Amino acid sequence: EAQVTQNPRYLITVTGKKLTVTCSQNMNHEYMSWYRQDPGLGLRQIYYSMNVEVTDKGDVPEGYKVSRKEKRNFPLILESPSPNQTSLYFCASSFRGAAGANVLTFGAGSRLTVL
Amino acid sequence: GENVEQHPSTLSVQEGDSAVIKCTYSDSASNYFPWYKQELGKRPQLIIDIRSNVGEKKDQRIAVTLNKTAKHFSLHITETQPEDSAVYFCAAATSGTYKYIFGTGTRLKVLA
Repeated sequence: EAQVTQNPRYLITVTGKKLTVTCSQNMNHEYMSWYRQDPGLGLRQIYYSMNVEVTDKGDVPEGYKVSRKEKRNFPLILESPSPNQTSLYFCASSFRGAAGANVLTFGAGSRLTVL
Repeated sequence: GENVEQHPSTLSVQEGDSAVIKCTYSDSASNYFPWYKQELGKRPQLIIDIRSNVGEKKDQRIAVTLNKTAKHFSLHITETQPEDSAVYFCAAATSGTYKYIFGTGTRLKVLA
């Protein structure tokens, strides 16, 4: 089944304790991205990657890191989480088509709480 | 920076009526405009999309219109049903950068 898989789905952690949210897709998509969803603010892009070893900042990259060493994986790293990073996080992927930007396939989401 | 404004933030309609959600984008280079539906506790899923070389697109009860000059695009749902109740997000994306910018969402309630 074609899908984007995120782990963990739920996490409660404490300020300053490094954590990684993994994202993996099995559709051979070139493009992958991370979003955070907060009430009243919609989905805001954190980082995106157009291919292996190519990453770029979205609108809210502060406090986050990413890497794209393999095409299928795009982990989101919080080096020193703070309470303002409490949010619902979505990973998404798509093909880089000839026509340009394409339909995003989203993972199921990861709800992170930082105490 | 670039942004997408979405209105209204909440919308209640009677079952069978039509619903219209409007978005305005700021980046004139945007050329891909998808709409996503997010049911409670679920992931966003595409319901319809349109590219800048097309003015209107329909899929059964759902249609999207695009006015490039005014930088507006709208979602139209006809004959609404209770299962249409969800949060709807518009987005604008640019082919060159693949940067997606989402609107803040519209919570649609269809009253039976």
